[in-house]
Amino acid sequence: EDQVTQSPEALRLQEGESSSLNCSYTVSGLRGLFWYRQDPGKGPEFLFTLYSAGEEKEKERLKATLTKKESFLHITAPKPEDSATYLCAVQGRNTGFQKLVFGTGTRLLVSP
Amino acid sequence: DAGVTQSPTHLIKTRGQQVTLRCSPISGHKSVSWYQQVLGQGPQFIFQYYEKEERGRGNFPDRFSARQFPNYSSELNVNALLLGDSALYLCASSWDSNNQPQHFGDGTRLSIL
Repeated sequence: EDQVTQSPEALRLQEGESSSLNCSYTVSGLRGLFWYRQDPGKGPEFLFTLYSAGEEKEKERLKATLTKKESFLHITAPKPEDSATYLCAVQGRNTGFQKLVFGTGTRLLVSP
Repeated sequence: DAGVTQSPTHLIKTRGQQVTLRCSPISGHKSVSWYQQVLGQGPQFIFQYYEKEERGRGNFPDRFSARQFPNYSSELNVNALLLGDSALYLCASSWDSNNQPQHFGDGTRLSIL
């Protein structure tokens, strides 16, 4: 069964203090790994899709990377508006349909 | 462009009642999926519909059912509500049924008393 584990559960940073969030996964053939941002009371907002090991994607202060066992979301010089829960999800090839398996997320708080 | 829209935003029901939640996908998206998110957890897959047909079902009891209409909008129905059904119900849409990104609405917060 596909599984996703995210760490740490919570992370507190000072504004400008760079760090990384980890997403470890086990999947029967990876179709895609997805990163989402979720603000309180809102639905997840799509950030990145990664399809194969070695792939990298960037958007503003965020950079996502992928290996065969894990993905990292690097946050460079974060700002308070980056505070949110970051969710990682995988889609495996062992189903014939589009099912995302999510981790429990990392709650990020960036203080000014 | 409008994103995924869900209604209602909040709902309060009592045990044993039935509820219907509604979702309109992004224009042009033919795939709709439903997820349940319990507080403090990641979303859990319930159903996927593509071109009005059920493509997949997660590990949820038969009290949960859904359908997709010709305009690709969708409804999620839950019968015989239990306290444990209290959650945020999220709808997501995508272009097709493969590995394209799913875009989520802001959900319906369902509270069972």
